[in-house]
Amino acid sequence: GESVGLHLPTLSVQEGDNSIINCAYSNSASDYFIWYKQESGKGPQFIIDIRSNMDKRQGQRVTVLLNKTVKHLSLQIAATQPGDSAVYFCAENSNTGNQFYFGTGTSLTVIP
Amino acid sequence: DTEVTQTPKHLVMGMTNKKSLKCEQHMGHRAMYWYKQKAKKPPELMFVYSYEKLSINESVPSRFSPECPNSSLLNLHLHALQPEDSALYLCASSQDWTGRREYFGPGTRLTVT
Repeated sequence: GESVGLHLPTLSVQEGDNSIINCAYSNSASDYFIWYKQESGKGPQFIIDIRSNMDKRQGQRVTVLLNKTVKHLSLQIAATQPGDSAVYFCAENSNTGNQFYFGTGTSLTVIP
Repeated sequence: DTEVTQTPKHLVMGMTNKKSLKCEQHMGHRAMYWYKQKAKKPPELMFVYSYEKLSINESVPSRFSPECPNSSLLNLHLHALQPEDSALYLCASSQDWTGRREYFGPGTRLTVT
């Protein structure tokens, strides 16, 4: 089956630094990817998405990079703030499938 | 309105109880999902409804029974649960079942005693 995994289960960064969270996927048919942020006791919150016809997409303080050659996805958070502390999940989907596959999650802790 | 609502927020039930979780969205989405999430784990898909019809059941035990009364509502009926069923139950919706962006509710924290 498909697998979406993250390289690092935990990440600690100083406030103001940039954060990079990585994700690997194995389904070459995946064509749509989402990053979710989940704070303690809450549901996953959409951060940013990217389709496979793009390599990079930017949002407010966040950038997602997609490398289809090595099946790798990353989320960059600029000027990380304490409010960014959460678990981040990548999820992937193919247009032949009808569900998202979630990665294992990375717990980001921002040190003030 | 880009919100998925879930009730109750917390639920404690005994193993002989019958209870229901409710989910509602008013975004006109035609696909709705139930996920189960254990602590420090990603969400696990349980059921997918597309146009009010059950399209995916990920081998979920029959003690969980989903229901989609209309395109805005999704229920999860619980009966004879086990303590290991304690988890956060998340509802999500998307425009259709091709799995484009899913909007998640806040979840129901279920504890089975």
